[in-house]
Amino acid sequence: GESVGLHLPTLSVQEGDNSIINCAYSNSASDYFIWYKQESGKGPQFIIDIRSNMDKRQGQRVTVLLNKTVKHLSLQIAATQPGDSAVYFCAEKPLGRAGSYQLTFGKGTKLSVIP
Amino acid sequence: DGGITQSPKYLFRKEGQNVTLSCEQNLNHDAMYWYRQDPGQGLRLIYYSQIVNDFQKGDIAEGYSVSREKKESFPLTVTSAQKNPTAFYLCASSILQTPRGEAFFGQGTRLTVV
Repeated sequence: GESVGLHLPTLSVQEGDNSIINCAYSNSASDYFIWYKQESGKGPQFIIDIRSNMDKRQGQRVTVLLNKTVKHLSLQIAATQPGDSAVYFCAEKPLGRAGSYQLTFGKGTKLSVIP
Repeated sequence: DGGITQSPKYLFRKEGQNVTLSCEQNLNHDAMYWYRQDPGQGLRLIYYSQIVNDFQKGDIAEGYSVSREKKESFPLTVTSAQKNPTAFYLCASSILQTPRGEAFFGQGTRLTVV
């Protein structure tokens, strides 16, 4: 989930297990939600996004679920691998406004995979 | 390969000095952005540019300056007016009017004041 201080929430999972990373977003008028993966010392990488008119979207080994009722977003990673260890954060974009500068980023969750 | 290149990867600045962080992209994107990332925090927008010779302040522009003389380049200067410049700086680019908001990021520059 979202952190409220200087320390990121951490999720530790065993290699091969599934991971679920959560994000609470603030703007009910957001139309796109994006998940980014950031490895230590590197820039964020796009993983998957979902439009607000969808509840679920699947990619390769990842699934994003959107619950607009409670303004909650989750990223599920199947069969977690050591290479999945990173900080994951969500971003939301306001409805009807184009351009990446509109993105609001969450604070992130650190995923640690135990071999 | 297309991408965004930031340099240097690590930068040390003395108190009172200005330093410039480089960002170059060959993705032919019109829009470019600078973000600041502090430990345990989300990304905060410093400046963005949607077209050459034009740029806009983001949420935390004080103490920073930018230029956009070429489409490919968007350097960021951290001035001595920035009171707490130690952070990880990320440059990004995107298609100008991307409805999805997706941005492509560089590998970052870690700036430390010594």
